[in-house]
Amino acid sequence: GQQVMQIPQYQHVQEGEDFTTYCNSSTTLSNIQWYKQRPGGHPVFLIQLVKSGEVKKQKRLTFQFGEAKKNSSLHITATQTTDVGTYFCAGRPGSSNTGKLIFGQGTTLQVKP
Amino acid sequence: GAGVSQSPSNKVTEKGKDVELRCDPISGHTALYWYRQSLGQGLEFLIYFQGNSAPDKSGLPSDRFSAERTGGSVSTLTIQRTQQEDSAVYLCASSLLNQGLETQYFGPGTRLLVL
Repeated sequence: GQQVMQIPQYQHVQEGEDFTTYCNSSTTLSNIQWYKQRPGGHPVFLIQLVKSGEVKKQKRLTFQFGEAKKNSSLHITATQTTDVGTYFCAGRPGSSNTGKLIFGQGTTLQVKP
Repeated sequence: GAGVSQSPSNKVTEKGKDVELRCDPISGHTALYWYRQSLGQGLEFLIYFQGNSAPDKSGLPSDRFSAERTGGSVSTLTIQRTQQEDSAVYLCASSLLNQGLETQYFGPGTRLLVL
């Protein structure tokens, strides 16, 4: 079936270090979304990527969508303790803009002050 | 309301009982999704509504699970004859297409514990 794999599962970094999580789909995606979930909270939308090779930045966060629209990455520069949480990618198979989103298992980031 | 709301926030039930979970989406959002999240796990898609119809029910784990949406707004997820493996956080999200892009807004979830 359709799968979205995300690595690593856990990442511990020292404050100020960079962090990257990777997302790979078994099928081509129409778009990919990234969410952040703080401990005890619910997922909060970060960004959506639609175009092949697209790169978007939000302050210290950089999101990329692969040329084949099968993989994506989230890179955080100079992590801060406020970055702690679990980051999920979610891909939409096929060509639709709505419907089923397949979530990766998430990468849990811990930042040591 | 300002966001997606879900009730109850917590539910403890005995194995074999039925439970009903409610989701109030953001006003005007046409799409509504149900997900299940087990402890430390990712989100498992359950069902998706567009208006009152459910084009995709492929994620429902068994025929004990059902969901409906009325008036294009409130949705209920019903689990019949609950089992211990049903224990999880059930998350609802609503969304609206804007210029071809869809953003999902999640509710706080219902934490279900089946004893």
